[in-house]
Amino acid sequence: EVQLVESGGGLVQPGGSLRLSCAASGFTFSSYSMNWVRQAPGMGLEWVSYISLRSSTIYYADSVRGRFTISRDNVKNSLYLQMHSLRDEDTAVYYCARTSQYDWSFELWGRGTLVTVSS
Amino acid sequence: EIVLTQSPGTLSLSPGERATLSCRVSQSVSSSYLAWYQQKPGQTPRLLIYAASSRATGIPDRFSGSGSGTDFTLTISRLEPEDFAVYYCQQYLTFGPGTKVDIK
Repeated sequence: EVQLVESGGGLVQPGGSLRLSCAASGFTFSSYSMNWVRQAPGMGLEWVSYISLRSSTIYYADSVRGRFTISRDNVKNSLYLQMHSLRDEDTAVYYCARTSQYDWSFELWGRGTLVTVSS
Repeated sequence: EIVLTQSPGTLSLSPGERATLSCRVSQSVSSSYLAWYQQKPGQTPRLLIYAASSRATGIPDRFSGSGSGTDFTLTISRLEPEDFAVYYCQQYLTFGPGTKVDIK
């Protein structure tokens, strides 16, 4: 089955760190660029970070640049998001999403993992 | 920086009616990179339309996309009960704020 499964979310104090993982299966992970997208409670979708097939191109949203690091392991078929200096406003469900090979649409999404930043 | 504006914020309609959702992009872009998503409460976003007018796999033909330049439209020809949801447009790495389609 083609799927993405996120893990690693949880409760963390402001200023803390967390590492999210996304396990890909059912497709050739190394052939797709990947993204992290988040959704705060009751809010819309916010793109967070992008990584190309071989990690040569990486982008971040302004809101997380310098605090979050995206990476991937094409041998382990996994995507990661290392988050540091977490703030209350980082509280959200974090989704990993696969980019289409033909355009910039996000054609496959995981179910998400909840990150709660609170003291 | 590209900004996407969606209107209306909320659309109240009855099943069987036609829904027309708008997405305006702050600068003219290739229609190849405009996508629409549906998200139901508690569920993951689902790709509906890519390249402005192409339906994703498994999407019913009552969903259609159109537009070019800075103005794009998602049309649901006849609303089914399962279509009441929030719809987002996306251009490159930017999402619009969403339009909620709820039951009148």
